This record gives sequence, C-alpha cells and structure tokens, in this order.
Amino acid sequence: DTGVSQNPRHKITKRGQNVTFRCDPISEHNRLYWYRQTLGQGPEFLTYFQNEAQLEKSRLLSDRFSAERPKGSFSTLEIQRTEQGDSAMYLCASTGAVNEKLFFGSGTQLSVL
Amino acid sequence: GDSVTQMEGPVTLSEEAFLTINCTYTATGYPSLFWYVQYPGEGLQLLLKATKADDKGSNKGFEATYRKETTSFHLEKGSVQVSDSAVYFCALYNQGGKLIFGQGTELSVKP
Repeated sequence: DTGVSQNPRHKITKRGQNVTFRCDPISEHNRLYWYRQTLGQGPEFLTYFQNEAQLEKSRLLSDRFSAERPKGSFSTLEIQRTEQGDSAMYLCASTGAVNEKLFFGSGTQLSVL
Repeated sequence: GDSVTQMEGPVTLSEEAFLTINCTYTATGYPSLFWYVQYPGEGLQLLLKATKADDKGSNKGFEATYRKETTSFHLEKGSVQVSDSAVYFCALYNQGGKLIFGQGTELSVKP
C-alpha cells in the first residue's frame, strides 16, 4: 500500500491554457473521488468514479472540467481554458467501499496567472 | 441538499485545555459521520467516525458521539497538546455515496 499519489504537486499556468492532473489510487480501491479546496474552506466535491464509471459530477463544475478513469485504475482531471478562479488545491481520494474512510493524496496546487 | 456546518475558527487554546468543536449536519436518512484532520503541510486523514445514532467514535484521545436528535457530531478532547494544532473537518457520507465536508475549524494550541 503506497497510498494515493497525485502528480504534479504544483502547477503554474497562464489563463486560457489547459492543464491535466493525474491521480493513482490505492490499487485495490474501486472508488475514486476528486475534490477542490481553497484556502480556509473545506474540500468541495467535484466528481467520483466506481471503477471506470463516472457516477456523479458536481453541478458546480463547468463544461471546462472533465475527468476520466480508463480501465478503472488511474484517473485524470483536465481543466480547459483555465481561469484565475480555478486556482486551488485539487485533491484525489480513494476507498474500497461506501461509508469507509477515504484515503487522500497530497493534492495538486494549481495557480492560474 | 445535504450539508455540514462547523463552528468558525480559529480556536486558540492553552495546552491541557478542554476542546470542543461543534458540528451539525443536514441530510436525508442516517448518514455516516466523520472527523478528518489536516496537520500543517500534510494531507487529510481520518480521525474518527460513527456510522449510526448514539455511536461514539474515538481516536488519539478525541471523541465524538452521533446525536440523531440534535443532528450533531461534536468533537471533544479532554486535554489538548501542542501537537493537536491542525485544521479539523467534519464530514458526512450522503445517500449518493459522496463525502461532504464542513468548512473546517483551525485549532492552535499554545504551550
């Protein structure tokens, strides 16, 4: 068990550029979640997968955000045409069962200039 | 929709003081309830949980009791240490299978 891994740890980009983040969950976990956290706030739910199926996507997410989990293993989160308001910490978490604890990665800090 | 409300911080205490961080929730049905902690420079980690009414979760001297009648899950510790300084998040698992967090409460413990 090597934990949940996220890459990159930090990303600085210019407004209007596209960015992609990667999350590698704990290998036997079938549920994978993406959250966004800004300073002084709790993690905000973005989307989650069970295996390769995306079960829910937050209504707060614009069409610029997309997530995939091909083959039910790692996941990617892409943001197109980034805006300054997208600056935040993006967290990934995984779990093996509903109502069980989520294991969080260290996050990817996005700064949009 | 489902939501979690925590007392605002920051909370500043002296070492060995008693800690209470209030948490109330709104949810359909009977969600599982959690406290997560985020130490400086580290990722979120589970502190304790309770899955049904009147359950008490406990870990590292912290406790919280699932109170259905008051829809609350307050976090308590009898004697805090400097090493407890962190941000604490109350959370619930809703029927849709997602974990919903409160806004977090920062705790600072002074020697």
